[in-house]
Amino acid sequence: AQTVTQSQPEMSVQEAETVTLSCTYDTSESDYYLFWYKQPPSRQMILVIRQEAYKQQNATENRFSVNFQKAAKSFSLKISDSQLGDAAMYFCAYEGGSTLGRLYFGRGTQLTVWP
Amino acid sequence: DAGVTQSPTHLIKTRGQQVTLRCSPKSGHDTVSWYQQALGQGPQFIFQYYEEEERQRGNFPDRFSGHQFPNYSSELNVNALLLGDSALYLCASSLEEGATVYNEQFFGPGTRLTVL
Repeated sequence: AQTVTQSQPEMSVQEAETVTLSCTYDTSESDYYLFWYKQPPSRQMILVIRQEAYKQQNATENRFSVNFQKAAKSFSLKISDSQLGDAAMYFCAYEGGSTLGRLYFGRGTQLTVWP
Repeated sequence: DAGVTQSPTHLIKTRGQQVTLRCSPKSGHDTVSWYQQALGQGPQFIFQYYEEEERQRGNFPDRFSGHQFPNYSSELNVNALLLGDSALYLCASSLEEGATVYNEQFFGPGTRLTVL
C-alpha cells in the first residue's frame, strides 16, 4: 500500500526567510504524481504544487519549489521569501498507479510564519 | 465560476443516528471524491463516484455509502454514527479527461461533523 510520511509536525520561519518541509513516500508503482497541498484555517485544501514522477526536472511555482528524489522516495517543499499568508497546515500527497484518482495524504506539517 | 460547495457547514449528531452530507462539484466537473479528515490527521479517501457509479473505495465500513446524481452532485451517507466518525468531511471534484491527462481535484470547504 502507498504511504506518505511527514516527519515534521510543526515548522516555523521568519518572514522573508526560506523554509523546507520534508516528505517521504513508499510505492511500488513507477508512474505517479506527488503534491503539496495547503490547508489554512478556512479548511479549504489548496493545491500548491504538483510533480509528475516521470519528469526529472523539479517543479516550481513562483516562491514554491520541490526537491524530488525518486530513488530515495523523497519529496520536499521549499518556500522562499516566506509571507505571513503562507502560514497553514501543509500536506504532502501521492496519487498514481492502479488507484489513480485516489489521493494518499501525510499527517501534515503546521507552518508558522513570524513577522 | 462556482467552486466546489458543500452543505451543511457544521452538523451535530448523536451516536446511532444517520447523517447525509451534500456536495456540488465545480462547474463542468463530472467526478466526485469524498475524504474524511480526523482532527490532527491528513484526509483519508472514502470513495469516488463517476457516471453515478462508485469507481473506487477506501478502507471504510459499509456504514459509509454514497450516491451521485445525474447533475454530478453527490451525497455521503453515514449510518449508525460512532463517536469516531467525528471529523471534517471533504468533497473534491475533477473532470475525467482520460488517462493521458492529469485530472486535478478541487476541494470544497468541508462539513464539520460532531458526534456526541
